[in-house]
Amino acid sequence: GQQLNQSPQSMFIQEGEDVSMNCTSSSIFNTWLWYKQDPGEGPVLLIALYKAGELTSNGRLTAQFGITRKDSFLNISASIPSDVGIYFCAGEDNYGQNFVFGPGTRLSVLP
Amino acid sequence: DAGITQSPRYKITETGRQVTLMCHQTWSHSYMFWYRQDLGHGLRLIYYSAAADITDKGEVPDGYVVSRSKTENFPLTLESATRSQTSVYFCASSSGLAGVLEQYFGPGTRLTVT
Repeated sequence: GQQLNQSPQSMFIQEGEDVSMNCTSSSIFNTWLWYKQDPGEGPVLLIALYKAGELTSNGRLTAQFGITRKDSFLNISASIPSDVGIYFCAGEDNYGQNFVFGPGTRLSVLP
Repeated sequence: DAGITQSPRYKITETGRQVTLMCHQTWSHSYMFWYRQDLGHGLRLIYYSAAADITDKGEVPDGYVVSRSKTENFPLTLESATRSQTSVYFCASSSGLAGVLEQYFGPGTRLTVT
């Protein structure tokens, strides 16, 4: 089946630093989404992208839908301790036909 | 405004026993999903449902049974639990209006099979 690759798998950063992570696929997707999972909780939707090249922000978070439709990027500016968690990308091709979650990027923020 | 709830939150059971995990949503969302999360594997789809009485297999359906007689409930049953089914299970729902991936997740059920 389809698979998504996320990099890095994990990262340790200092509070205040900017963060970049990405998600890639060998298949084309029509929708890319980014979720965050806080420790001990279920994932929460952060940003949804529906158009190639689209750039969308949600506070300190910015995500982009790659123009090839095979990748997506998430940036977090000026990280804070509550940014700690696992960030999942997810892609959907045909409407409701095929969707998949990436393995996640685990973010740790050091004070 | 309960949203989506799962019960129990924690469960310990023995190998071979039947276990049912409950999921309830109050939004009348059409779609509901069951995932398992294991270290190193992210979220893997077990089963999903597009509407009451309609269910489809996901990536890892073996050993699980689902039903959806009412829109708001989507129970997951492990007919004969095995140690490999020790995991954290998440239920999710989606209206499907903006694609099925805009999902709202429950808090999870941590299941241990001894």
